Amino acid sequence: QSVLTQPPSVSGAPGQRVTISCTGSSSNIGAGYDVHWYQQLPGTAPKLLISGNSNRPSGVPDRFSGSKSGTSASLAITGLQAEDEADYYCQSYDNSLSGHVVFGGGTKLTVL
Amino acid sequence: EVQLVESGGGLVKPGGSLRLSCAASGFTFINAWMSWVRQAPGKGLEWVGRIKSKTDGGTTDYTAPVKGRFTFSRDDSKKTLYLQMNSLKAEDTAVYYCTTVGPYDILTGYYMGYYYYMDVWGKGTTVTVSS
Repeated sequence: QSVLTQPPSVSGAPGQRVTISCTGSSSNIGAGYDVHWYQQLPGTAPKLLISGNSNRPSGVPDRFSGSKSGTSASLAITGLQAEDEADYYCQSYDNSLSGHVVFGGGTKLTVL
Repeated sequence: EVQLVESGGGLVKPGGSLRLSCAASGFTFINAWMSWVRQAPGKGLEWVGRIKSKTDGGTTDYTAPVKGRFTFSRDDSKKTLYLQMNSLKAEDTAVYYCTTVGPYDILTGYYMGYYYYMDVWGKGTTVTVSS
């Protein structure tokens, strides 16, 4: 059971908008810690998609956006493309756990 | 080009030891905080821990399942990060990724204002613990 909760799967047709939620608690997201998002294409290493809740690293298309409110965060993908099919993970910091960094369980995005 | 290359993975028996290496290039390694993340077969990502730069104290932090068994170290002269794994268990079987970890931008050295984002990842090395 992951400390951060994500839906196991989401899907959408090309061109559509999808969102992936990441729900935490008062010891992580709700405590004000930043949320980061990663994309993992099949058979590859994860790649940083969003840092500091809403910042896109250089090279990440502006179709990807992040937000945070209260004890939750969201990743939105607009203009869905076939190459967006991947696993997506949220990550934050938790002040109640040894090691402190926590990931969500991951969300599989299927482009229909 | 910024790059991290892990090596040292393999098959080891329960209770055995293994040392992973991560060679860095394309950025100022001495200033970088580094971490290890693992992914068991078919599972999600799990933080193993991190080591700060020596400038920031060189301290380490480990997730509970590996504390006391795993040790991070770094050789800044060789731009290499190490993960010494002892008393290995079947549940340590995973792909181990080496990453850089915020709060500092690895190219500019600027403080980004947020922590623990992992901006550069290696391709990973596979560790299998089985008899």
